Amino acid sequence: DAGVIQSPRHEVTEMGQEVTLRCKPISGHDSLFWYRQTMMRGLELLIYFNNNVPIDDSGMPEDRFSAKMPNASFSTLKIQPSEPRDSAVYFCASRATGARANYGYTFGSGTRLTVV
Amino acid sequence: KQEVTQIPAALSVPEGENLVLNCSFTDSAIYNLQWFRQDPGKGLTSLLLIQSSQREQTSGRLNASLDKSSGRSTLYIAASQPGDSATYLCGVQGAQKLVFGQGTRLTINP
Repeated sequence: DAGVIQSPRHEVTEMGQEVTLRCKPISGHDSLFWYRQTMMRGLELLIYFNNNVPIDDSGMPEDRFSAKMPNASFSTLKIQPSEPRDSAVYFCASRATGARANYGYTFGSGTRLTVV
Repeated sequence: KQEVTQIPAALSVPEGENLVLNCSFTDSAIYNLQWFRQDPGKGLTSLLLIQSSQREQTSGRLNASLDKSSGRSTLYIAASQPGDSATYLCGVQGAQKLVFGQGTRLTINP
């Protein structure tokens, strides 16, 4: 199993540009989570999906942020327009539910976003 | 709302020492508790997961305990090595969400 795959690993963009982060969860995992990590606030949950359906997006900071999960193997987090304060590391994680739930969460390697 | 606190925020010890990292949480209605390790500039690596019905889990030199009633977990590292230097994060899982503490930055000095 290749684990949770995120792309790109690094993204540098100019303020005002659209940014799209991508995630491929572990096959068979039915929950997917987007987190943001900063020095000041640590790891914050932005949004999570169960069976491709968004369940809780209360952590999404502003309307500039949106997330989709069109199928079980792919999710995107989009920021439009981007601002310097969006600079952070964005992690995607996935988890199985039911009998496999006790294996816990698996995190991707993250996307380091820098908005200049 | 679940709040997770990790103490100390940073710890520096000489190689070979045994050490304990602490995690406390405010809502005892948890599903699992998961300890992670994060190296600088890297992602999170799962170390141990304790189910709410369990008291402890062990993996090699690591032992994690859970006391739901008091809202506490500890991660015990035996015979520490320089390679153990990293940030250790405690994640507390409720019905759906995994909430993290701010982490303990551990440095093992050769």
